Amino acid sequence: GQQLNQSPQSMFIQEGEDVSMNCTSSSIFNTWLWYKQDPGEGPVLLIALYKAGELTSNGRLTAQFGITRKDSFLNISASIPSDVGIYFCAGYHGSSNTGKLIFGQGTTLQVKP
Amino acid sequence: ETGVTQSPTHLIKTRGQQVTLRCSSQSGHNTVSWYQQALGQGPQFIFQYYREEENGRGNFPPRFSGLQFPNYSSELNVNALELDDSALYLCASSLVQKETQYFGPGTRLLVL
Repeated sequence: GQQLNQSPQSMFIQEGEDVSMNCTSSSIFNTWLWYKQDPGEGPVLLIALYKAGELTSNGRLTAQFGITRKDSFLNISASIPSDVGIYFCAGYHGSSNTGKLIFGQGTTLQVKP
Repeated sequence: ETGVTQSPTHLIKTRGQQVTLRCSSQSGHNTVSWYQQALGQGPQFIFQYYREEENGRGNFPPRFSGLQFPNYSSELNVNALELDDSALYLCASSLVQKETQYFGPGTRLLVL
């Protein structure tokens, strides 16, 4: 089925540490998107990836579209308290001809000052 | 440039009632998608509208229906509300069907 497995489920880190989270699928995805969601708010787009192998940065955030098109990772360097939130990976399945975005289960990040 | 807006922000209904949620897409976007997000879960795709026609539907029953208007704004209607319909309903807009989606703040629906 079209599922995204996101890990880890949660992280509790010290301010200043680097963070890494990833998303995997058993099937091919055409696009990978990474979003951050604060409680009670809508997801905010962090990084969009469109080609296999693509490596993109947005400030302290870096994400890569896996070569196999079945995975993606997001790194956050030198974490700060405002990085707290839930991070979701999402993507368009390779065989889909609709705009159905499939989401992972989310990674909850907590940062200790 | 105006982002995606949704109304109302919060809503309380009772089981069996009907509800209409509204969404205005980001300027220049002609595609609107709706998602349901239960507590502690990722968003689940309900359906997408492109140029006023439904373009794909997730695993939701027919009592979930929608509309898109000529100005690309959209409505989500849910009939015969059930307790499990309590969730955050998210609207997202994009330039076309499989482009990057930008989300609104959501409508929190509570069914009692």
